[in-house]
Amino acid sequence: EDQVTQSPEALRLQEGESSSLNCSYTVSGLRGLFWYRQDPGKGPEFLFTLYSAGEEKEKERLKATLTKKESFLHITAPKPEDSATYLCAVLGNTGGFKTIFGAGTRLFVKA
Amino acid sequence: EPEVTQTPSHQVTQMGQEVILRCVPISNHLYFYWYRQILGQKVEFLVSFYNNEISEKSEIFDDQFSVERPDGSNFTLKIRSTKLEDSAMYFCASSGSRPYNEQFFGPGTRLTVL
Repeated sequence: EDQVTQSPEALRLQEGESSSLNCSYTVSGLRGLFWYRQDPGKGPEFLFTLYSAGEEKEKERLKATLTKKESFLHITAPKPEDSATYLCAVLGNTGGFKTIFGAGTRLFVKA
Repeated sequence: EPEVTQTPSHQVTQMGQEVILRCVPISNHLYFYWYRQILGQKVEFLVSFYNNEISEKSEIFDDQFSVERPDGSNFTLKIRSTKLEDSAMYFCASSGSRPYNEQFFGPGTRLTVL
């Protein structure tokens, strides 16, 4: 069965303190791995899609990377407005279009 | 910028009542999804819909749930007889021409079952 595990559950950073969030996954044939940002009470906001090992995507202070077993979301010099829950999700090759989400990493960035 | 919209934003209902949650996906998208998120828990897949039929559904999506695309723009989730444990945030999402394209989510409907 497809599984997604994110770590840490919560991360507290000072403004400017770079770090990485981890997403480990088990999936039968990866069609896509997705990163989303979710603010409290809101819907997930799309950040990146990664399709194959070695792929990297960047957007402002965020960079996502992918290996055969995990993905990292690197946050460089974060600002307080980066505080949110970051979700990782995978779509496997099971026939249907069932996307499995991890529990997320809650990021707090203090000024 | 195109976006997914959902109505209502908050629905309060009595246990055993039927509710219909409505979504307007992005206009040229072909794949549609419903998810739920119980407070403090992970986003859970309910159902995917393509070419006017269900592509896959989770074990949560039992006989009490149904989906419909009644016209070219709306996508609805019906819960026939609500239970207390159906209280959650329900998100609609859509993706473009490939199912492994990114999904864009709506703002959600908060369902409270009393």
